[in-house]
Amino acid sequence: NAGVTQTPKFQVLKTGQSMTLQCAQDMNHNSMYWYRQDPGMGLRLIYYSASEGTTDKGEVPNGYNVSRLNKREFSLRLESAAPSQTSVYFCASSEPGQRGYTFGSGTRLTVV
Amino acid sequence: RKEVEQDPGPFNVPEGATVAFNCTYSNSASQSFFWYRQDCRKEPKLLMSVYSSGNEDGRFTAQLNRASQYISLLIRDSKLSDSATYLCVADGGSQGNLIFGKGTKLSVKP
Repeated sequence: NAGVTQTPKFQVLKTGQSMTLQCAQDMNHNSMYWYRQDPGMGLRLIYYSASEGTTDKGEVPNGYNVSRLNKREFSLRLESAAPSQTSVYFCASSEPGQRGYTFGSGTRLTVV
Repeated sequence: RKEVEQDPGPFNVPEGATVAFNCTYSNSASQSFFWYRQDCRKEPKLLMSVYSSGNEDGRFTAQLNRASQYISLLIRDSKLSDSATYLCVADGGSQGNLIFGKGTKLSVKP
């Protein structure tokens, strides 16, 4: 099984550009998450989706939108990228009752 | 804000050493606890769950003290391949999501 797949792996954007980070999982998990990781800040939750059709804000949602397209896919959109959004973005999934999250390999985003 | 606090390190130890990491969590309603390992420029991966009775997986032992809201990880006979950042994790109680500490960096030297 592939687990959690994120695309793209790397991206450079200019300030004001938009883009969508894609995430798909093949483990039939109900819950999916988007985190960003910055040096010295640890992993911070941007948005999560407890189940298909629902999304909720996490700790740092400003500047982002999400779509839970179906049970497998959860995308993160930056409408107008800012340098402060330069980060490594991780998607994760989990199943209630199971222990822990499975993470994708991450997207390294640089906004110039 | 619910938090998980841990010493950022780095911990620089020789091969074969025993090293202990500690962390504290602020949410007394947390029920599930984990240690994750993150290699440089890689995603976090689950190392082990942490149970009240303590649990061991080979050279790794995890302990939980609910009264003190304290979690520990002990690594015995350190290997070069143990070099990584170790993330302490607790669930957010009723909110359900996992809360990650900022990580403790371990460097095992020959």
